[in-house]
Amino acid sequence: SQQGEEDPQALSIQEGENATMNCSYKTSINNLQWYRQNSGRGLVHLILIRSNEREKHSGRLRVTLDTSKKSSSLLITASRAADTASYFCATSLYGNKLVFGAGTILRVKS
Amino acid sequence: DGGITQSPKYLFRKEGQNVTLSCEQNLNHDAMYWYRQDPGQGLRLIYYSQIVNDFQKGDIAEGYSVSREKKESFPLTVTSAQKNPTAFYLCASRPGGGPRGTDTQYFGPGTRLTVL
Repeated sequence: SQQGEEDPQALSIQEGENATMNCSYKTSINNLQWYRQNSGRGLVHLILIRSNEREKHSGRLRVTLDTSKKSSSLLITASRAADTASYFCATSLYGNKLVFGAGTILRVKS
Repeated sequence: DGGITQSPKYLFRKEGQNVTLSCEQNLNHDAMYWYRQDPGQGLRLIYYSQIVNDFQKGDIAEGYSVSREKKESFPLTVTSAQKNPTAFYLCASRPGGGPRGTDTQYFGPGTRLTVL
């Protein structure tokens, strides 16, 4: 069952701008992860935020989590053409399974 | 893509045929997963295995079968009972089969299956 929903479905920005993607989910979670998928390839893990954390940074990535609103956001600062990809949020409650959203397609124009 | 390999990269199947997709990992991970991805959509879980000789159905297991005879290998068979098998199939693995293991999954490069 699909739990996460990303917003927007697609995003097109200029190189150097910031990109923000949002994810909403429906049930309790232990943690939320963001993955990137380049066209026709497998997914790559970007960052994990636990349910007791509100914000986490990794390089140009900033993730926030609001468990009261059941939502998360992924901010990519100073975007590059190489950031062009699909981005998925995935939630986990018991650790053994992930539930993925439908993804946001990001296009960074140079 | 890490230490997970999937083969073949592209696979064509005639209607009524069974096909097997290979997934091998050398990461010494306990848990392995199979997902299906349709265009413009997220991943849906087909089957997963947390330990050798054991596996569980995911959300869309009908028409698929798996085996887990070795820790390194988790092949997926798409049977003729799967009515709409054309999709991108992704295999993943995770350290630690139980809830205490890390939740992060590591993905293979995928197999694109097309039914002719």
